[in-house]
Amino acid sequence: QPAVTQESSLSVSPGGTVTLTCGLSAGSVSADHYASWYQQTPGQASHRIIYNTHTRSSGVPARFSGSILGDKAALTITGAQADDEADYHCLLFVGSGVSVFGGGTKLTVL
Amino acid sequence: QVQLQESGPGLVKPSETLALTCSVSGGPIGSSAHYWAWIRQPPGKGLEWIGNIYYTGDTVYNPSLKSRVTISVDRSKNQFSLKLGSVTAADTAVYYCARVQMTIYYFYGVDVWGQGTTVTVSS
Repeated sequence: QPAVTQESSLSVSPGGTVTLTCGLSAGSVSADHYASWYQQTPGQASHRIIYNTHTRSSGVPARFSGSILGDKAALTITGAQADDEADYHCLLFVGSGVSVFGGGTKLTVL
Repeated sequence: QVQLQESGPGLVKPSETLALTCSVSGGPIGSSAHYWAWIRQPPGKGLEWIGNIYYTGDTVYNPSLKSRVTISVDRSKNQFSLKLGSVTAADTAVYYCARVQMTIYYFYGVDVWGQGTTVTVSS
């Protein structure tokens, strides 16, 4: 199965904009991969913030948005806040019922 | 709302079988719009999809773990279970059970997570 790639770490200033990406070791990410994104704070389980590439989960602030940028799925945070500091994991459906997580991005807000 | 709770031993010896159960409350496991999954996270690392099961018993496993994994479902108890054989220290992780929004037409990922249970492989 292909590997899913994410930046290991990123930083953003409070109020700034940051884009996290999710790629495939072989090929491009498309809508058919149904990218979903999860936020995880230390010691906690993850919770879904984006699914089906661009749909926000219930209760997720509008500053989070999902898209396809070039050959990758992307999560953009516009107007970052201190409590957005977390690990972000992407998940891709790669076919035949198989799903693969990326390695996760540690986002620092400073 | 649906809640998931993992249970099972927190310590497993190398070469033995890890066995966990996920109890589902607040809704039936026999939902046509959902699959049920096991996901793990080794210390300091990212998430790894282990596999998932439909209420009919149909399973899909991570190819890298397929030879050692069995996931099963018990509709009468509203539970599903994980068995991972021949464990080594590399299988030490937090294990999560999860509900997946998925049909043959779409995959919307995990919408409900268990709290996770830590399993350590050590003699």
